Amino acid sequence: KQEVTQIPAALSVPEGENLVLNCSFTDSAIYNLQWFRQDPGKGLTSLLLIQSSQREQTSGRLNASLDKSSGRSTLYIAASQPGDSATYLCAAHYNQGGKLIFGQGTELSVKP
Amino acid sequence: EADIYQTPRYLVIGTGKKITLECSQTMGHDKMYWYQQDPGMELHLIHYSYGVNSTEKGDLSSESTVSRIRTEHFPLTLESARPSHTSQYLCASVGQQLTDTQYFGPGTRLTVL
Repeated sequence: KQEVTQIPAALSVPEGENLVLNCSFTDSAIYNLQWFRQDPGKGLTSLLLIQSSQREQTSGRLNASLDKSSGRSTLYIAASQPGDSATYLCAAHYNQGGKLIFGQGTELSVKP
Repeated sequence: EADIYQTPRYLVIGTGKKITLECSQTMGHDKMYWYQQDPGMELHLIHYSYGVNSTEKGDLSSESTVSRIRTEHFPLTLESARPSHTSQYLCASVGQQLTDTQYFGPGTRLTVL
């Protein structure tokens, strides 16, 4: 069964810290892996998409890496800010017509 | 910003009522999806469509039904709402390329009393 797991479930850090969110997936035959941000009561906003042939993607203070062989991806957030507080979800895209398998999310709180 | 819309954003309704959650996108995407998300829990796919007149059930069993008569429109219907249907429902669409990201609507938070 294809499953995606995220740890930790929740994380609280002071402003300015660099942090890493972890995502693991059981089936390494992915097409791509996506990281999303979800604010309370809102939909999902795509942050980064890493193709299976790529090792990492960067956007501003965000860097996502992918290691297919070990079934892991990490999202690195540099110099965290209170505005980064949200739930971060990773999702694996397999050969199923675009269907995503989501992790449970990591709820991040950045304290000023 | 992605052009995918959901209405209503919030709905509180009594048991037994028929409801339709609307989802529309203006990007011309063939593939559309409905996810259900309980508070603090992961998203589960309940329905998807690869184009007009194409609908499939997702990984999580749901009593809801969907239709796809037009490319841009993918409504979800509950014939008789129950408290167990209380959840957030998120609609998404994606383009043809595997490199395309999924775009999500803002969601409908449904409460059935």
